[in-house]
Amino acid sequence: TQLLEQSPQFLSIQEGENLTVYCNSSSVFSSLQWYRQEPGEGPVLLVTVVTGGEVKKLKRLTFQFGDARKDSSLHITAAQPGDTGLYLCAGGGDSWGKLQFGAGTQVVVTP
Amino acid sequence: SQTIHQWPATLVQPVGSPLSLECTVEGTSNPNLYWYRQAAGRGLQLLFYSVGIGQISSEVPQNLSASRPQDRQFILSSKKLLLSDSGFYLCAWSIAGGPNRQYFGPGTRLTVT
Repeated sequence: TQLLEQSPQFLSIQEGENLTVYCNSSSVFSSLQWYRQEPGEGPVLLVTVVTGGEVKKLKRLTFQFGDARKDSSLHITAAQPGDTGLYLCAGGGDSWGKLQFGAGTQVVVTP
Repeated sequence: SQTIHQWPATLVQPVGSPLSLECTVEGTSNPNLYWYRQAAGRGLQLLFYSVGIGQISSEVPQNLSASRPQDRQFILSSKKLLLSDSGFYLCAWSIAGGPNRQYFGPGTRLTVT
């Protein structure tokens, strides 16, 4: 079983600060997904990275896939209260399309 | 565009009662379908997945079962609910043979009393 570890588990910051969430594994994944989930709702896909060393930017969010495709990070610049949520990483590579999810990082951004 | 629906949104059931949760996908054909359970504020545990009508794979032994009677319909069931079945249940779909991107429904909050 491929395990994905996310850190930190919980992050509380002030509006305008930067934050980074990490997702690490000892296994190689063919792709890595990041999701954001708000209470009582389903996770929403933010980005998919597939190439080692790949960097993708989505407005104030920067996603990076490690060179060896075993780890990833999500960096938020100038966080806003709307960035509050549970951030989940998920690794793919199974022929059935299954994903291995991390336990999530709860981010709280206060005004 | 594709959409995924789940119902009911919330459900309160007594221990020992049956369960049926439904998930339907629109706007795509022959999707892979998945059922997950999520503990409060934590990651997702894959329960079942299906790559075609009538084909179900179970990931963990449990009190639940799944069925796929139609191409875009996925049902999660139980004959007798346990207290431990309480949780947030999520259905997801992905393109068969495509990238490992899964798209989630809005979820069902199940409370077993």
